[in-house]
Amino acid sequence: GAGVSQSPRYKVAKRGQDVALRCDPISGHVSLFWYQQALGQGPEFLTYFQNEAQLDKSGLPSDRFFAERPEGSVSTLKIQRTQQEDSAVYLCASSLAAGSSSAKNIQYFGAGTRLSVL
Amino acid sequence: KQEVTQIPAALSVPEGENLVLNCSFTDSAIYNLQWFRQDPGKGLTSLLLIQSSQREQTSGRLNASLDKSSGRSTLYIAASQPGDSATYLCAVMPWAGTASKLTFGTGTRLQVTL
Repeated sequence: GAGVSQSPRYKVAKRGQDVALRCDPISGHVSLFWYQQALGQGPEFLTYFQNEAQLDKSGLPSDRFFAERPEGSVSTLKIQRTQQEDSAVYLCASSLAAGSSSAKNIQYFGAGTRLSVL
Repeated sequence: KQEVTQIPAALSVPEGENLVLNCSFTDSAIYNLQWFRQDPGKGLTSLLLIQSSQREQTSGRLNASLDKSSGRSTLYIAASQPGDSATYLCAVMPWAGTASKLTFGTGTRLQVTL
């Protein structure tokens, strides 16, 4: 597609429910990032993929959070046993590559998934 | 740990005014700095990217400067318009070779009034 696509746009979950958030990056983009943006805050890094390899998951807040990108394209962020503090906008971004070229480093963001946990 | 601060948190100006948004970061070892715009319910749009070796970048009415040694960047918006109303975020990227993750500030919410 022309841009990064995320689905669903909105998700309401009951506390304890599992959720799965999908990200379709720009075709051909090697790098994919997930960020979490709480209300009134800037996005915070969750995890990073280069192709299918998850190279950095240091930002995942707990073992209830799991991300995958099995074929190096679409990625899914899964949250198990959701809690109220998981309520946030989850942003996905992709870039052509990670390297020295400034143009390849630009991250293109999707519109995000707004998760509300009741 | 890198920390990014943006001042002010919110700003309201009348149409036509020139304005400056400020961004500061604690670790000067950065690869580049980006300014983003975020509209309600939408993703982030990259406005300007400044490499660590550059001093400024310009795009239309926007000019971003970078003083890496002092850990500061400014975004200058000339002749503001109501359509400029949005949240502006700055973000820094560490040296290439890491996970290239961005560290964001908390943003400046700008409102341009008629």
